[in-house]
Amino acid sequence: SQTIHQWPATLVQPVGSPLSLECTVEGTSNPNLYWYRQAAGRGLQLLFYSVGIGQISSEVPQNLSASRPQDRQFILSSKKLLLSDSGFYLCAWSVGPGGETQYFGPGTRLLVL
Amino acid sequence: AQKVTQAQTEISVVEKEDVTLDCVYETRDTTYYLFWYKQPPSGELVFLIRRNSFDEQNEISGRYSWNFQKSTSSFNFTITASQVVDSAVYFCALSEARTSGSRLTFGEGTQLTVNP
Repeated sequence: SQTIHQWPATLVQPVGSPLSLECTVEGTSNPNLYWYRQAAGRGLQLLFYSVGIGQISSEVPQNLSASRPQDRQFILSSKKLLLSDSGFYLCAWSVGPGGETQYFGPGTRLLVL
Repeated sequence: AQKVTQAQTEISVVEKEDVTLDCVYETRDTTYYLFWYKQPPSGELVFLIRRNSFDEQNEISGRYSWNFQKSTSSFNFTITASQVVDSAVYFCALSEARTSGSRLTFGEGTQLTVNP
């Protein structure tokens, strides 16, 4: 069966520091991978998605970037965090053509102080 | 552009009551997919159901049922005989049909609290 991991689970970082969040998927090949952010009490916003190694699509211009160095690894990064980067970051995967179900990881809670 | 509206921000019921969560969507696509997810306090989104735009049959799964009506662009979710464990935030979402990597557009969610 497929599983998705995210780490760290929680993170407190100062403004201006770098960020690296990691997501890995097990039990499937060539998944579509997604990064979402959820601000407190709000819905989810798609940040990036990837349909293959090295292929990244950005949905919202911002302080963050994403990379996919391996088939089942998706990394969210920032060189300098802003206060507004605080939130709950969720990684998701799906397989197959568009419209397939996305399955979410446990998430990372990021607080920027 | 696609949009999902969940007008009910918070709902509070007493255990064993039935409760319906509303979802209204907007899209120009003729082929699309609708989803419901549950987010318990732990934060992880749990998949509940997926429907495509050509299948308007209502679906029942245990105490859960879904009513899809294209005429009103609605995809409502009903929990029958609610339980305390149903307390969570519920999200309705819409996905376009693409060759791969479809994006989910989420509503703002409905916080359901079931009191004993």
